Amino acid sequence: KAGVTQTPRYLIKTRGQQVTLSCSPISGHRSVSWYQQTPGQGLQFLFEYFSETQRNKGNFPGRFSGRQFSNSRSEMNVSTLELGDSALYLCASSLDGSNQPQHFGDGTRLSIL
Amino acid sequence: GESVGLHLPTLSVQEGDNSIINCAYSNSASDYFIWYKQESGKGPQFIIDIRSNMDKRQGQRVTVLLNKTVKHLSLQIAATQPGDSAVYFCAEGYTGRRALTFGSGTRLQVQP
Repeated sequence: KAGVTQTPRYLIKTRGQQVTLSCSPISGHRSVSWYQQTPGQGLQFLFEYFSETQRNKGNFPGRFSGRQFSNSRSEMNVSTLELGDSALYLCASSLDGSNQPQHFGDGTRLSIL
Repeated sequence: GESVGLHLPTLSVQEGDNSIINCAYSNSASDYFIWYKQESGKGPQFIIDIRSNMDKRQGQRVTVLLNKTVKHLSLQIAATQPGDSAVYFCAEGYTGRRALTFGSGTRLQVQP
């Protein structure tokens, strides 16, 4: 069974731009979560989607948004990029999200110049 | 490789020894706990999980211990191998939250 796939692996943007990251979950998994990983803050929860609905949201500004499609694939968008948005963005999937192992992709490394 | 964390606590062990990685959690409402291994340039990889109605759970070469009284979690790796070198994260969750809160991680270095 294929794992969680994230594209692109690397991205370089400049301040003020916007970016869209993509995640394909494990087949059969309907919950998709997004996390931001930085050396200073560690792994922090962004949001979780299930059946195209956002069920949970972390403590991030509204510039961070996401969506989920009917095939469970998910995208996250960051608008008006800031230098501090440079991070590894990780997507994780699970069957339905609650008290289950979340399986992670290898992330998208976003660098803001 | 890419650095996960610049100032992570590091546990250095000899190949073949047993490793114990500790984690303290803060939320008394947490009822689900999970350990991940992250190698350089990769995403976290699931190792083992445990629910709060258990004190111990064993997998292949790994054991997780949960002490709810002192809010402490540990991961024991038997016969540590060079391939076990990575950063290890504990994470906690609670029913209905559908989000994991991660610890800051411990770097395990296995000396051949």
